[in-house]
Amino acid sequence: QLQLVESGGDLVKPGGSLRLSCAASGFIFSDSYMSWIRQAPGKGLEWVSYISSRGGTIYYADSVKGRFTISRDNAKNSLYLQMESLRAEDTAVYYCARETLAAGAFDYWGQGTLVTVSS
Amino acid sequence: QLVLTQSPSASASLGASVKLTCTLSSGHSSYAIAWHQQQPEKGPRYLMKVNSDGSHIKGDEIPDRFSGTSSGAERYLTISSLQSEDEADYYCQTWGTGIRVFGGGTKLTVL
Repeated sequence: QLQLVESGGDLVKPGGSLRLSCAASGFIFSDSYMSWIRQAPGKGLEWVSYISSRGGTIYYADSVKGRFTISRDNAKNSLYLQMESLRAEDTAVYYCARETLAAGAFDYWGQGTLVTVSS
Repeated sequence: QLVLTQSPSASASLGASVKLTCTLSSGHSSYAIAWHQQQPEKGPRYLMKVNSDGSHIKGDEIPDRFSGTSSGAERYLTISSLQSEDEADYYCQTWGTGIRVFGGGTKLTVL
């Protein structure tokens, strides 16, 4: 059974840092493209970052470029998002998601982890 | 610029059918999209991928009541025999080199 489980969400002060994790199981993680997507309270979905299966290709949304870093450890079947210089507008539920083999469409999602940036 | 446009809301009666629309921005009418459902207080769930030729590939265990079609720059999600659990937000999503994009979502109310 394919499963994605996020963790690491917390309350953090503006300017602070946080590292999110996503544990994958039930599929060959090392063959999969992965992304982070977020959803601010009461708002729609916003794509945050993408990483290719071996980590050689990485993309970021303009809103997080230079502050967030995506990475993965295929030996641990894990995806990460290091978030720096956090702002109030980064407050959201963060989801990890797998892309289809053809790439692009997110075919499996985690349950999300809440990040709150507030003083 | 790659943009997806959705109507903010839609409604239909229990047992009826509804067709949701997602419109691709100018110059992007050949792009495939994906539909995702988000029930209240839950994470999103992948429904299907819809290609520009109208073919679609559904996710695991997605009921036959859900289908996808296409016309020009528009991609559609049709839900037939509406059930109460279909009341949810529906997002379309597409992708290009270096970017993944979501539409603003359509809130479906089942009357």
